[in-house]
Amino acid sequence: SAVISQKPSRDICQRGTSLTIQCQVDSQVTMMFWYRQQPGQSLTLIATANQGSEATYESGFVIDKFPISRPNLTFSTLTVSNMSPEDSSIYLCSVARSETQYFGPGTRLLVL
Amino acid sequence: ELKVEQNPLFLSMQEGKNYTIYCNYSTTSDRLYWYRQDPGKSLESLFVLLSNGAVKQEGRLMASLDTKARLSTLHITAAVHDLSATYFCAVDRSGGSNYKLTFGKGTLLTVNP
Repeated sequence: SAVISQKPSRDICQRGTSLTIQCQVDSQVTMMFWYRQQPGQSLTLIATANQGSEATYESGFVIDKFPISRPNLTFSTLTVSNMSPEDSSIYLCSVARSETQYFGPGTRLLVL
Repeated sequence: ELKVEQNPLFLSMQEGKNYTIYCNYSTTSDRLYWYRQDPGKSLESLFVLLSNGAVKQEGRLMASLDTKARLSTLHITAAVHDLSATYFCAVDRSGGSNYKLTFGKGTLLTVNP
């Protein structure tokens, strides 16, 4: 299994501001992923974060809006930039290990 | 573009009954996941199905994968209240092991006494 922690667990932000979400894993992993779960919806992959290279973004997500860092094999950050109410979601990081993908507890973001 | 469809989206069951949740997907993949999500919580991994014909069971839940039909099922046997949750299936869009998952919309299961 994998033990994943995220900070903050929740936040309320004003529109136009930015929030950086941190994800920490208990041991080294090659690939980390960021997902978004909008209220009452399913999960959508935002990007894949690989250590030592630029993140790979999925269709509909861009680096200017969701910059990602991956400074080492146990840590990643996702920034939600210039937020609007439409960014209100749960943001989850996940890691792949032993043929399974594990998810962190999520960061619940409300943008006013 | 890979599409993953779950049905039903809402399921209300009585305790002790059996039911099946279906997960259809649109392109070839040999890797399918089932997750459980409780309200306000993250996703808990239930099953990983890695090949055609794979069947896995844990307690009252059994999952199977038919890659030719592009269909996975999650069968619930003798449901109990504790199984009430939202269940998601997810498919690896590469068909292999890049772990980029496309999720179904989820099935909200309510088990009534």
